[in-house]
Amino acid sequence: NAGVTQTPKFQVLKTGQSMTLQCAQDMNHNSMYWYRQDPGMGLRLIYYSASEGTTDKGEVPNGYNVSRLNKREFSLRLESAAPSQTSVYFCASSDGGPQPQHFGDGTRLSIL
Amino acid sequence: GENVEQHPSTLSVQEGDSAVIKCTYSDSASNYFPWYKQELGKGPQLIIDIRSNVGEKKDQRIAVTLNKTAKHFSLHITETQPEDSAVYFCAASITPDSWGKFQFGAGTQVVVTP
Repeated sequence: NAGVTQTPKFQVLKTGQSMTLQCAQDMNHNSMYWYRQDPGMGLRLIYYSASEGTTDKGEVPNGYNVSRLNKREFSLRLESAAPSQTSVYFCASSDGGPQPQHFGDGTRLSIL
Repeated sequence: GENVEQHPSTLSVQEGDSAVIKCTYSDSASNYFPWYKQELGKGPQLIIDIRSNVGEKKDQRIAVTLNKTAKHFSLHITETQPEDSAVYFCAASITPDSWGKFQFGAGTQVVVTP
């Protein structure tokens, strides 16, 4: 059982570059989420998708966009990367409700 | 919005001893309180949760207690083992309507020494 799969696992970008973080789940879950994790700050919600076809902003959406491509996939895009976006990004899913149940293993992103 | 505070930030325990992590929340309407365990290099894993109509819940060596009046809840790990070493996060939310308001605590690094 793969669960939630994130790609890539590591990435280094230069300021101003763009990239898309990919996430896919194989549990037929309705809801998907993107979090960022910074030292001493826990996990903060960037965007979420309550169900296929809908996306909404979380606590820290500035500088990011998302696409719920289908029920399985939820991508996160950085249009113009900034050093403040250096973080570990986690995708998660649940069978419904605001509480994430399953997390991927993260994408470690450094922006120089 | 909800504010969740978690203490301590680090906890070192001897193998076999108990560990307790405490969280407080601000919104009295919160009704769902999960705990997650994050091992090094991995994503968080939901390990136990409790709803506001229950005061205590146990699952083998872990238990969670909830005091709604004082607005705090705690994770108890008994007979700790080296594999319990991880970062533990608490969270609070108002289900089912608190989309975007699900708040995590800052985490507790638990180290179990043999």
